[in-house]
Amino acid sequence: AIRMTQSPSSFSASTGDRVTITCRASQGISSYLAWYQQKPGKAPKLLIYAASTLQSGVPSRFSGSGSGTDFTLTISCLQSEDFATYYCQQYYSYPPWTFGQGTKVEIK
Amino acid sequence: QVQLVESGGGVVQPGGSLRLSCAASGFTFSSYGMHWVRQAPGKGLEWVAFIRYDGSNKYYADSVKGRFTISRDNSKNTLYLQMNSLRAEDTAVYYCAKDYDTAYFQHWGQGTLVTVSS
Repeated sequence: AIRMTQSPSSFSASTGDRVTITCRASQGISSYLAWYQQKPGKAPKLLIYAASTLQSGVPSRFSGSGSGTDFTLTISCLQSEDFATYYCQQYYSYPPWTFGQGTKVEIK
Repeated sequence: QVQLVESGGGVVQPGGSLRLSCAASGFTFSSYGMHWVRQAPGKGLEWVAFIRYDGSNKYYADSVKGRFTISRDNSKNTLYLQMNSLRAEDTAVYYCAKDYDTAYFQHWGQGTLVTVSS
């Protein structure tokens, strides 16, 4: 199975900050990567697929990049509603579909 | 709009069984693959099972293979997960999710909590 590793596991940031989350795959996955946002007590929500394509309705301050083994999710100007946990997920090789361990973005 | 509503969670003893349901609406259910994904308390997301749109192919995580069975009734727009021989480590919120192109999880239900405890 392909292992997905996110960094950092958590960090604190302030509203208005530019933040970047990294996701690394244990082997090359081309651009077969998705990002999700999950708020406490809620279901995950798809943000980005194909590494950089924004899901309909997702604010443009979210962006994704990367291919192969290294990927990033960037929030250009952090808003209060963006404090959440973010997960990457690969769909290059399945089953299993695998997720990163998550990155929690907390308020500084 | 897409709506997925899970039900059937609860408290069950180790070794017991439970069947989860996921009622789908707002899209042509019979045209899409469906997944179950779970999340143990305070932990990350773990994919559990997938079923093709017509039920012809099913895949399982190694952790549940031989104990869980995914199925669907396209006439009722409903997805199921039959869980047998439950263990404490199966305790989690179980989400059903609509598949996109056997790739990513496009829409998610609100989840149903399964607690395995004596």
